[in-house]
Amino acid sequence: EPEVTQTPSHQVTQMGQEVILRCVPISNHLYFYWYRQILGQKVEFLVSFYNNEISEKSEIFDDQFSVERPDGSNFTLKIRSTKLEDSAMYFCASRERLARTYEQYFGPGTRLTVT
Amino acid sequence: GDSVTQMEGPVTLSEEAFLTINCTYTATGYPSLFWYVQYPGEGLQLLLKATKADDKGSNKGFEATYRKETTSFHLEKGSVQVSDSAVYFCALKGGAQKLVFGQGTRLTINP
Repeated sequence: EPEVTQTPSHQVTQMGQEVILRCVPISNHLYFYWYRQILGQKVEFLVSFYNNEISEKSEIFDDQFSVERPDGSNFTLKIRSTKLEDSAMYFCASRERLARTYEQYFGPGTRLTVT
Repeated sequence: GDSVTQMEGPVTLSEEAFLTINCTYTATGYPSLFWYVQYPGEGLQLLLKATKADDKGSNKGFEATYRKETTSFHLEKGSVQVSDSAVYFCALKGGAQKLVFGQGTRLTINP
């Protein structure tokens, strides 16, 4: 069964460094998403991406964040200058364009630790 | 704005016990409602959904009914198994694209 994959599973970085989290969505999906979950808190929406542009973003998704689909398979989240409060689990998700169930398929997540 | 509140965890039960995980929501209109499950080391998987009032979603023995009058979508299972141990997330479709999640409830089933 097709699945969303994410790399790395765990990333440790120092405050102020740039990080890129990578996702490979399911191949025929056209909508892509990033969510995050700070330890002990809710899963929060960051951004959605369709047709090579951002379609919706949250207040969390400020100028420090960017997303890109550099080729036909990868979908990346970049944090330009990490802060301690960026430490969280980051989930990528994707869905088909015509999915009547509106089901989003999630990856296993990348745990980002900023020290 | 839209929000989802789940019962606090963790929840620990014995095998074959009855399970209820409470979920209430605040939203404008009548959003679609979901339960997602996360097994250890895996991503969030859709467990069940309901798209309108009084709909009952069901899957793998789990059920949840969309209650408009109480703005609730409680998850139930009549007899849990050890393999049901996971984190369960209630969510609603808010905005044009995004899912709004509750904080998750960790469920542990002891044999």
